[in-house]
Amino acid sequence: AIQMTQSPSSLSAYVGDRVTITCRASQAIRNDLGWYQQKPGKAPKLLIYGASTLQSGVPSRFSGSGSGTYFTLTISSLQPEDFATYYCLQDYNLWTFGQGTKVEIK
Amino acid sequence: EVQLVQSGAEVKKPGESLKISCKGSGYIFSNYWIHWLRQMPGRGPEWMGGVYPADSDIRYSPSFQGQVTISVDKSTDTAYLQWRSLEASDTAMYYCARRDVVSGIIEWLDPWGQGTLVTVSS
Repeated sequence: AIQMTQSPSSLSAYVGDRVTITCRASQAIRNDLGWYQQKPGKAPKLLIYGASTLQSGVPSRFSGSGSGTYFTLTISSLQPEDFATYYCLQDYNLWTFGQGTKVEIK
Repeated sequence: EVQLVQSGAEVKKPGESLKISCKGSGYIFSNYWIHWLRQMPGRGPEWMGGVYPADSDIRYSPSFQGQVTISVDKSTDTAYLQWRSLEASDTAMYYCARRDVVSGIIEWLDPWGQGTLVTVSS
């Protein structure tokens, strides 16, 4: 089974900061990776698919990059509504989530 | 609007059976896989399995094979997740999500249902 290792598990940042979250796959997964945002009590929401394609309606401050085994999600200027938990999800072989990154207010 | 609406919260005792549902609307239900995901308290989501309504093809995660049953009713645009005998460890939020795809290989899960909270306690 493909394992997804996400880091950091949590981070504290100020509004306006640039934030980067990484996800490593245990084997090459091409660009078969998505990023999801989850707020407390809500279902996960798709942000990015295909490693770098922004889902319709998602603000352009979110971006994704990577292929193979290393991927990043970047928020260029953190906004108050971005404080949430973020998950990567590989769809190369079945579906596996990363452990999540909780983004908190500093 | 594409939407998945799940059945309401359930409180059950160990050993009881349960079937929860996920109803799609706003799109051709038969043409898209519906997947089920578990999220235990304080943990990330886990993929359980999915169903393709057009032909009832069903795939299970090895971790959930034999533990749950996924089914679908095309006539009502509804997918189901069921347990024969619940355990306390089944306590979790359960989500359904629609699988979309482009170019036959780039996939994602969107939208998601609102979730069904299942609590198993004696």
